[in-house]
Amino acid sequence: EIVLTQSPATLSLSPGERATLSCRASQSVSSYLAWYQQKPGQAPRLLMYVVSSRAAGIPARFSGSGSGTDFTLTISSLEPEDSAVYYCHQRNKWPFTFGPGTKLEIK
Amino acid sequence: EVQLVESGGGVVQPGGSLRLSCAASGFAFSSYEMNWVRQAPGKGLECVAFISRSKSSGSTIFYADSVKGRFTISRDDANNSLYLQMNSLRAEDTAVYYCVRETSTWFDPWGQGTLVTVSS
Repeated sequence: EIVLTQSPATLSLSPGERATLSCRASQSVSSYLAWYQQKPGQAPRLLMYVVSSRAAGIPARFSGSGSGTDFTLTISSLEPEDSAVYYCHQRNKWPFTFGPGTKLEIK
Repeated sequence: EVQLVESGGGVVQPGGSLRLSCAASGFAFSSYEMNWVRQAPGKGLECVAFISRSKSSGSTIFYADSVKGRFTISRDDANNSLYLQMNSLRAEDTAVYYCVRETSTWFDPWGQGTLVTVSS
């Protein structure tokens, strides 16, 4: 099983600041890495797919990068509505796995 | 509008059974692979079952080890529906179960989820 590790577990930043979320895989996932945002009481929502492609309706302040085993989700200038848990996800090999999540708090 | 609506959740005793359903609309259901993903209260996300598009030789199906032999995923393309038959339920199966469409290699959209509680 491919294990995804996310860091930090919690991130507390102010509006306008830059957020950098990391995801590391226990083995290569090629480009089959996606990011999801989940707000309390809601289903996860797709943010990024194949590492760096933004899903429909996702603001340009969200960007993704990386390859192989190390990936990053960057939010360039935080807005209050970005407060959520962010999960990375690999679909390279079954079982498809998710990271444990990074909780982003906006001060 | 692409939409997935789950139903069938509820409270069941340990050892009991439930059948979850997912009604798909707004897209060509038969052309997509589908997944069930669950989230235990306050916890992360776990893929529990995958089913490929239907083929003449049958669909490809995968299960998480945690549910193998107890859960069965199926699809009815004529009725745009996905199912998850859950037997021999355990307390650790308590979770919100999401129906999720797979587009190439990513999951989008997700249904609103249905809560399954296994408790005596």
